[in-house]
Amino acid sequence: SQQGEEDPQALSIQEGENATMNCSYKTSINNLQWYRQNSGRGLVHLILIRSNEREKHSGRLRVTLDTSKKSSSLLITASRAADTASYFCATDRNGGSQGNLIFGKGTKLSVKP
Amino acid sequence: GAGVSQTPSNKVTEKGKYVELRCDPISGHTALYWYRQSLGQGPEFLIYFQGTGAADDSGLPNDRFFAVRPEGSVSTLKIQRTERGDSAVYLCASSPTAGSQETQYFGPGTRLLVL
Repeated sequence: SQQGEEDPQALSIQEGENATMNCSYKTSINNLQWYRQNSGRGLVHLILIRSNEREKHSGRLRVTLDTSKKSSSLLITASRAADTASYFCATDRNGGSQGNLIFGKGTKLSVKP
Repeated sequence: GAGVSQTPSNKVTEKGKYVELRCDPISGHTALYWYRQSLGQGPEFLIYFQGTGAADDSGLPNDRFFAVRPEGSVSTLKIQRTERGDSAVYLCASSPTAGSQETQYFGPGTRLLVL
């Protein structure tokens, strides 16, 4: 079953704009990860945030985590056409630490040049 | 190899047939995961291995699905008596060890179509 829900389901922006995607989850977690997927095939890990962290940066990516609201957001600044992809958040199952992740349904981002 | 590889890339089979999907993880990675992704959905966990043993197979949908990793490296996902509902992309991932703090490295997937 899906743990989380990404919001929005689809997002279309112009190159240079910022893109914000949100993720909500249901159970307590140890870590939350964001992955990117091109063309419905393999996923690529973007960033991991631990449950005791509130914000993390990696290049043009900024992730926030609010464990009280069971939600996270991914911000991509100064978007590029190459950022066009689906983005998924993933959490560990029921607060476990084994790594068998639960993914949301994803946000499909389209960046127009 | 450089990354996780999966074979075949695409598999078309008929309802009722048996299929095997293969995953070659990154060398040295002890944890290996199988996920299934239907169109418009996120990946759904099936099973994961720590070494040769299945540490958690709670995501396998029924007893038609089985996976092995006999030498702690290559893994094979086996589906018996395939059904049309089994059509999906089957993704394999590996990580250095098991744990939600680990990055999972995904293969390109096998797209299975059951006619």
